[in-house]
This record gives sequence, C-alpha cells and structure tokens, in this order.
Amino acid sequence: TQLLEQSPQFLSIQEGENLTVYCNSSSVFSSLQWYRQEPGEGPVLLVTVVTGGEVKKLKRLTFQFGDARKDSSLHITAAQPGDTGLYLCAENIGWGKLQFGAGTQVVVTP
Amino acid sequence: GAGVSQSPSNKVTEKGKDVELRCDPISGHTALYWYRQSLGQGLEFLIYFQGNSAPDKSGLPSDRFSAERTGGSVSTLTIQRTQQEDSAVYLCASSLERLSGGKLFFGSGTQLSVL
Repeated sequence: TQLLEQSPQFLSIQEGENLTVYCNSSSVFSSLQWYRQEPGEGPVLLVTVVTGGEVKKLKRLTFQFGDARKDSSLHITAAQPGDTGLYLCAENIGWGKLQFGAGTQVVVTP
Repeated sequence: GAGVSQSPSNKVTEKGKDVELRCDPISGHTALYWYRQSLGQGLEFLIYFQGNSAPDKSGLPSDRFSAERTGGSVSTLTIQRTQQEDSAVYLCASSLERLSGGKLFFGSGTQLSVL
C-alpha cells in the first residue's frame, strides 16, 4: 500500500489570502479524491481527479493532478473563514476502499 | 434517512468494557465502510461490507474488533475489552457503488474515549 504524504500539516492564513496544499506519492495514483472535514463531522468529497494533467475547478478551489499521476494540489483563491477545515486526499485502492493521507489543517481567520 | 447516521455521537467507557457503535447508512446504499480516525490523523480503513457480507476485514486491528451488518442496512461495530489506544473517532460511510470511483458519504462519527 502506497503512502500518501500531505503538506503542509498545518496552515494558518488571513481571509482573502491564497493557499495551496499538496498530496504526493512515490507510486502512481489510479485516481485521487480530495475531501474536506469540519470539526465534529465526517469528510465530504470535494472532487475526484483521474487523468494525468487534469485541472478541475470548484468555485474558488482549483484541483490539479500531476502529469505522472503521482501528485496533486489544491489551491484556494481568496480564502474565507468557511474554508477552515482538514483537507484530506485519498486514493481508491479497490472495493471503494480509500487510503487517506494525514491531512492538512487549514485555518482562515477573519 | 437523508444521510449516514451514527450513534452514539460520543461514548465514554472504562478500560476493559465492551462497546457497540451503530451505523445506519443511506437507504439503498449496498456498500458500507468503517474507518477510524485518531487525533490529528487521517482515516484508517477497518472493514468493508457489500450487502451483509464482509469481503475485506483487513483493517481490523485485533480480534477484539468485530462488525456485522444485517438486512443489508444497519451495521454494528463491536470492540471487546476496550483499551486506551482504542480511543478515536469511528466513522462510517456508505456508497451506492463498490467499483472504483464510487462516492462515499460519511456519517459524523462516534467519538470513543476509553478511560
């Protein structure tokens, strides 16, 4: 089972700033999912990327999948306090079973 | 129901006691998963159900952990003789599809604290 490494572990920014979080692996991802988890809640799926080089946008969130499918990034433009949460990347390794990274905790202060 | 429901939301128990955690998946979802999340960590897979059968139990950490699913719906995760290292948030998820790419819907979890 490959290890998903997320960086940074923690990110604190002011409202209106931009941020990028990363998910990397030494092996090729079959596909990759990004989740956001708020305190006291379960993770919620944001996006699934499948094709190398793919870019997906979800309002102020931009997701990129590396050409070699070994890395992915999530960029948030003009962050808002509502973007605060734990951002997790995960790979589907069969049967719908997900292998998760440890996550990046993002805090956006007003 | 509208979403995945888990109960209780919080459970405090003494070391050595048994606990049962319940998951009620989204109606019609055939796949059900249990994950564990320790403080500040990502999610750790425990077990997967397709209908009432569990083709993948590889994540259960010891034989003190067991799970069952009845009627293709509700699932119960049982931890016997709890230990302090069992303290974590236990998350349940369900999915309409078991194939790759299936979207998982998570419950809010049960926060288990073993004193």
